[in-house]
Amino acid sequence: NAGVTQTPKFQVLKTGQSMTLQCAQDMNHEYMSWYRQDPGMGLRLIHYSVGAGITDQGEVPNGYNVSRSTTEDFPLRLLSAAPSQTSVYFCASSYSAELNTEAFFGQGTRLTVV
Amino acid sequence: GENVEQHPSTLSVQEGDSAVIKCTYSDSASNYFPWYKQELGKGSQLIIDIRSNVGEKKDQRIAVTLNKTAKHFSLHITETQPEDSAVYFCAAFYSGGYQKVTFGTGTKLQVIP
Repeated sequence: NAGVTQTPKFQVLKTGQSMTLQCAQDMNHEYMSWYRQDPGMGLRLIHYSVGAGITDQGEVPNGYNVSRSTTEDFPLRLLSAAPSQTSVYFCASSYSAELNTEAFFGQGTRLTVV
Repeated sequence: GENVEQHPSTLSVQEGDSAVIKCTYSDSASNYFPWYKQELGKGSQLIIDIRSNVGEKKDQRIAVTLNKTAKHFSLHITETQPEDSAVYFCAAFYSGGYQKVTFGTGTKLQVIP
C-alpha cells in the first residue's frame, strides 16, 4: 500500500548509543520531514528536505542528522542519544513544499533513552 | 515566529453529541490551517483544512470555522461516533512556505458509547 513507512515502531537506547530511524515513502513525494512529539508541546519540526540531496534544519535540529540520497528515503540519525531525546518521532511527506499540500505521516517511532 | 494554542487538551463526549476544539494563533500572516487526526499506530491524517480567505468549510460531520480578526479557528465534529476517538492536532502555516508550520499541542477526544 502506498504511504509512509517508519521503522522501528519502538526503540530503547542507552545514553550515548547511536541509531537511525528509517522513513520511506513510495508516492514520489519531493518534500519529507521529521517531527518529534512531546507532551504539551505538539509536533516540532526537526529537519526537512525539499528533494534528493537537499536538507535543512527545522525548529529543533540539535542532536539529529539527516540525509536524502534518494527521493524515497529520509533517515534520521541520532549520533549520541540523550534522555532529552525520549519522544515520539513522526516522518511526513508531501508532493511539494507548497501550502495546502496534504501531508502523509508515518505511524511513529516511540523512542526511550535511558 | 508563530505560536498556536489548542484547547482543550482532553475532551470526553457522549456518542451522538458534538465536539468542538479551538486553536488560537498569533501570526496574522498565517493563511492555511489544517486539522490532523492521529490514531494509535496509524500516524496522522489530514481531515479538513481551511484557507484564510474562507470563513467556514464543511465535510459531512466535520466542519472548520475561521475567525481571522480574533485569530482563532475551530474544529466541529457533529454526531460523534466511537471511531472519532483520537488525538486531534491543529496547525498554522505562515508566510515562507510549507516548512514553516506550527502545530497545536493536541486534543485527546474520547467518545463514550
